[in-house]
Amino acid sequence: GENVEQHPSTLSVQEGDSAVIKCTYSDSASNYFPWYKQELGKRPQLIIDIRSNVGEKKDQRIAVTLNKTAKHFSLHITETQPEDSAVYFCAASNQYNFNKFYFGSGTKLNVKP
Amino acid sequence: SQTIHQWPATLVQPVGSPLSLECTVEGTSNPNLYWYRQAAGRGLQLLFYSVGIGQISSEVPQNLSASRPQDRQFILSSKKLLLSDSGFYLCAWMRDRPNYGYTFGSGTRLTVV
Repeated sequence: GENVEQHPSTLSVQEGDSAVIKCTYSDSASNYFPWYKQELGKRPQLIIDIRSNVGEKKDQRIAVTLNKTAKHFSLHITETQPEDSAVYFCAASNQYNFNKFYFGSGTKLNVKP
Repeated sequence: SQTIHQWPATLVQPVGSPLSLECTVEGTSNPNLYWYRQAAGRGLQLLFYSVGIGQISSEVPQNLSASRPQDRQFILSSKKLLLSDSGFYLCAWMRDRPNYGYTFGSGTRLTVV
């Protein structure tokens, strides 16, 4: 089955700096890679996703890159703000195989004002 | 509109007691449904998924079970809870293409004492 690894487990940055979270996956059949943000005690919410036919996707201050050959993908947050503080999860999925998502272990991001 | 409901929001149960968590979706038919568990400070672990009524696939063997008695109802159960069953339980629904992806329920925080 798929195995998703995520690093770092915790990340502390100063407000305004950039944050990068990295994930690797094992199953070359995975073709969809979402990122979720989970605030304390709440449900995970999708913030951005990327499909395997695209190498990069941006949405305002957040971007995701995908390297299919190396089987890794990354989340980039620029100009971080205190409200970006949360736990971020990456996931990998094969859209054509029961649609199961396999999640990374999460990164706790702390943005210091 | 399509929504997902999960209850209860919090639950404190003694060791050895039974468990029943319920998840329902509205506004869609024949959805793929999932149960995840999130232990404190940990990632999201897939427990069960279901692609239709009466169809349950288990990802991790344990003292939990799942059932899908109706198209839009997914239930997580246990006959006898263990301390290690404590965690944050999330139900998720897979949205169809073109809006492919998970929508999570609001979660149930279970504390086994």
